[in-house]
Amino acid sequence: GENVEQHPSTLSVQEGDSAVIKCTYSDSASNYFPWYKQELGKGPQLIIDIRSNVGEKKDQRIAVTLNKTAKHFSLHITETQPEDSAVYFCAASSRTGANNLFFGTGTRLTVIP
Amino acid sequence: DSGVTQTPKHLITATGQRVTLRCSPRSGDLSVYWYQQSLDQGLQFLIQYYNGEERAKGNILERFSAQQFPDLHSELNLSSLELGDSALYFCASSEGDRPRGEQYFGPGTRLTVT
Repeated sequence: GENVEQHPSTLSVQEGDSAVIKCTYSDSASNYFPWYKQELGKGPQLIIDIRSNVGEKKDQRIAVTLNKTAKHFSLHITETQPEDSAVYFCAASSRTGANNLFFGTGTRLTVIP
Repeated sequence: DSGVTQTPKHLITATGQRVTLRCSPRSGDLSVYWYQQSLDQGLQFLIQYYNGEERAKGNILERFSAQQFPDLHSELNLSSLELGDSALYFCASSEGDRPRGEQYFGPGTRLTVT
């Protein structure tokens, strides 16, 4: 099955700086890559996703890039704010079989005011 | 608020017991997924139902079972509970069962087995 690796496990940045989180996947059939933000005591919240027919997608301060050849995708957060502090998870889903998601191990992002 | 609801929010029970977790999907969503989140295993897919039928199984133990009812709510049943079953259990829903569909997560149920 799919194996998703995520780095780094923790990331601290100064407010206003950028943050980058990287993930790799193993199954070349995967073609949907969502990112989730999980705040303490809450469920994962879908913040952005990308499908394998595009290389980059942007939504305000958040962007995701996908390199299908290298089988990796990244989350970029610019102009970070204290409210961006949370655990971020990448995930992958295959075009074949079920729609279930395979998650990375998470990155705890801390934005220092 | 994702529109997915889960009850109860917290559950404390003893080893060997059985519990039922409940999930109501977003309005219009036909698929329900159950995930387990633990410190050592991360977020893991357990099982998916689509319009009342089981569609996919992941790392779900035989002691665990689920069903989806005609009104589309779903229940996850955990029996013969062990200390290691303590975790957060999330339900997610999506519109269809096709791959590449967005999944929206509920707030979770925190299960503590003592």
